[in-house]
Amino acid sequence: DVKVTQSSRYLVKRTGEKVFLECVQDMDHENMFWYRQDPGLGLRLIYFSYDVKMKEKGDIPEGYSVSREKKERFSLILESASTNQTSMYLCASRWSDRGTEAFFGQGTRLTVV
Amino acid sequence: AQSVTQPDIHITVSEGASLELRCNYSYGATPYLFWYVQSPGQGLQLLLKYFSGDTLVQGIKGFEAEFKRSQSSFNLRKPSVHWSDAAEYFCALGRYSTLTFGKGTMLLVSP
Repeated sequence: DVKVTQSSRYLVKRTGEKVFLECVQDMDHENMFWYRQDPGLGLRLIYFSYDVKMKEKGDIPEGYSVSREKKERFSLILESASTNQTSMYLCASRWSDRGTEAFFGQGTRLTVV
Repeated sequence: AQSVTQPDIHITVSEGASLELRCNYSYGATPYLFWYVQSPGQGLQLLLKYFSGDTLVQGIKGFEAEFKRSQSSFNLRKPSVHWSDAAEYFCALGRYSTLTFGKGTMLLVSP
């Protein structure tokens, strides 16, 4: 089975802290994604990566950055956490050339206080 | 630009009744379409997908969906709903890079 693992299920951070959300996949997928999920807004794409060290901005990249140093790992970074970044964060991965579905991690519920 | 619309934010269905969740899309080519389900506090699980061929696709947990190009729709159906189907359902569209999601439909199942 494909497995996408997010390092934390729940996180509580203080305003202004630098926050790292980690995601690892075990299927050698080229594409990896970070989505943010808020009630009534569905899933919104923050960043995606189509290869190691390659990244593209999604719909809501402001306040976030990403890192992909190895193919299996994709990190989301909140440079200076703010309360409006309190949300559910979902990582996903997908092959790039087969048009298949994306596989999702369990999500990280981040609360910024 | 591609987009997905799920017109219903909430739907309540009696246990044992049939279900249809609506999904409309906008896309310039033949779409790849997906339905995902999310139980509370969990990630998304794929129910079914459409790439090409037969327009009626079968998925897990007794779900099916029908692709109608003329109506730009990909509605999800189930003939008899179980209480365990209560969850949020997302329709998504995409080919080789990113997936675009609808805002979701919350399914409530009444006894």
